[in-house]
Amino acid sequence: GNSVTQMEGPVTLSEEAFLTINCTYTATGYPSLFWYVQYPGEGLQLLLKATKADDKGSNKGFEATYRKETTSFHLEKGSVQVSDSAVYFCALSPLGQGGKLIFGQGTELSVKP
Amino acid sequence: DAEITQSPRHKITETGRQVTLACHQTWNHNNMFWYRQDLGHGLRLIHYSYGVQDTNKGEVSDGYSVSRSNTEDLPLTLESAASSQTSVYFCASSDPGLAATDTQYFGPGTRLTVL
Repeated sequence: GNSVTQMEGPVTLSEEAFLTINCTYTATGYPSLFWYVQYPGEGLQLLLKATKADDKGSNKGFEATYRKETTSFHLEKGSVQVSDSAVYFCALSPLGQGGKLIFGQGTELSVKP
Repeated sequence: DAEITQSPRHKITETGRQVTLACHQTWNHNNMFWYRQDLGHGLRLIHYSYGVQDTNKGEVSDGYSVSRSNTEDLPLTLESAASSQTSVYFCASSDPGLAATDTQYFGPGTRLTVL
């Protein structure tokens, strides 16, 4: 079946540190891959996405590359800010399944000044 | 601006009661989804709809139902609330059609507590 596994949190970093949140997936075929972010008390919003192998999604300094050979979509940012503190969800949308999303369990990031 | 709203934002109910959570979107999206968020599980799909009069079961549909009488609304009903249904519920919508690349737009969530 289809599934997403994320590194467990919480992750605590100092401002300007480098961020990596690991995400691996299991899926048949070629799913689309997403990172969503949830700020405290809010719903989820799309951070970035990639639709085929070797695609790189990027937004707000975050980036992730669709790696089919390692079935991974790790999220990275070179220099985090306090305002990046949130919960990050990796998700996949299986091909031909009408846009349904399958989420990882989420990784909480806390950035200290 | 187009948006997706949920009501109520917080709800406390008792075991066995029927509860309906509202979801309203002004994006004019055909696709609408309901998820529940639980610690350690991320978000799990409850029900979804691809248009008026269309509804489908998701991964965790037992004890829930939805109906789609217009494009804008997809209310979620808990027929007989159970403590295991205490959760945060999110509604989402997307457009167009059935493409896997469509971005889903999420509402702010409803926190439901079943005592």
